[in-house]
Amino acid sequence: DAKTTQPNSMESNEEEPVHLPCNHSTISGTDYIHWYRQLPSQGPEYVIHGLTSNVNNRMASLAIAEDRKSSTLILHRATLRDAAVYYCIPIGGGSNYKLTFGKGTLLTVNP
Amino acid sequence: EPEVTQTPSHQVTQMGQEVILRCVPISNHLYFYWYRQILGQKVEFLVSFYNNEISEKSEIFDDQFSVERPDGSNFTLKIRSTKLEDSAMYFCASSRTGYSTDTQYFGPGTRLTVL
Repeated sequence: DAKTTQPNSMESNEEEPVHLPCNHSTISGTDYIHWYRQLPSQGPEYVIHGLTSNVNNRMASLAIAEDRKSSTLILHRATLRDAAVYYCIPIGGGSNYKLTFGKGTLLTVNP
Repeated sequence: EPEVTQTPSHQVTQMGQEVILRCVPISNHLYFYWYRQILGQKVEFLVSFYNNEISEKSEIFDDQFSVERPDGSNFTLKIRSTKLEDSAMYFCASSRTGYSTDTQYFGPGTRLTVL
C-alpha cells in the first residue's frame, strides 16, 4: 500500500473554503485516491475518489497533482458538520480491496 | 438512503466470554468487511468476506475471530474468548462490488467493552 502523509490537524472558519493536502509519493499508476472522513463517534464515511483528473461531487472536490504524488481535498464552504478526521487512502486497482486508514487530518471548524 | 446497521450499539462482556456482533449490510451489496478502532487509534482492517468466504484477513484476525453470513441479510463477527485488548469500536462495512472504484459504506459501530 502506498504511504500517505497528512497534516495532523487543520482549522477553518465556517463558510470558508478548506484545502486538505495529502502526500502519496509512492502511489502506483493504477491506485485510486479515495478520501473518507469520520465524524465524532461515527463510522467512516466516503467523501470522494479519483484517479488522474480532478473530481467534483456534492460534498467536495478532489484536485490531483499531475504527477499524482499528492492530492488536495477541497471543501468549498466549510460547515460545523464538516468537523471530522479526513483520511486520504490510495487503493490499488482490482478487486477485493481493503481500506488502510492512517491517522488522517483532524479538521476543526470554528463558528 | 440505504444504510448499514449494527447491533448492539454497546456490548459489555467479561473477559473470556464469547460475543457476537451483528451487522445488516446494504441489501444489494456483495462484499462485507469488519474494521475495528481502539480508542484514540487508527481504524484497522480485520476481514473481508465475499461469496460466503473470507477474501482477506489481517494479522489481528486470529483463530479467536470468525465471521458468518447466517442468512441473506445478517453478517456477524464472533469473538470466541474475549480479551481486555479486544475492547474497541467495531465497524461493519459493505460495498456492491469489491473494485477499487467502489465505495464502502460503514455502519455506526458497536462499542465492545471487555472487563
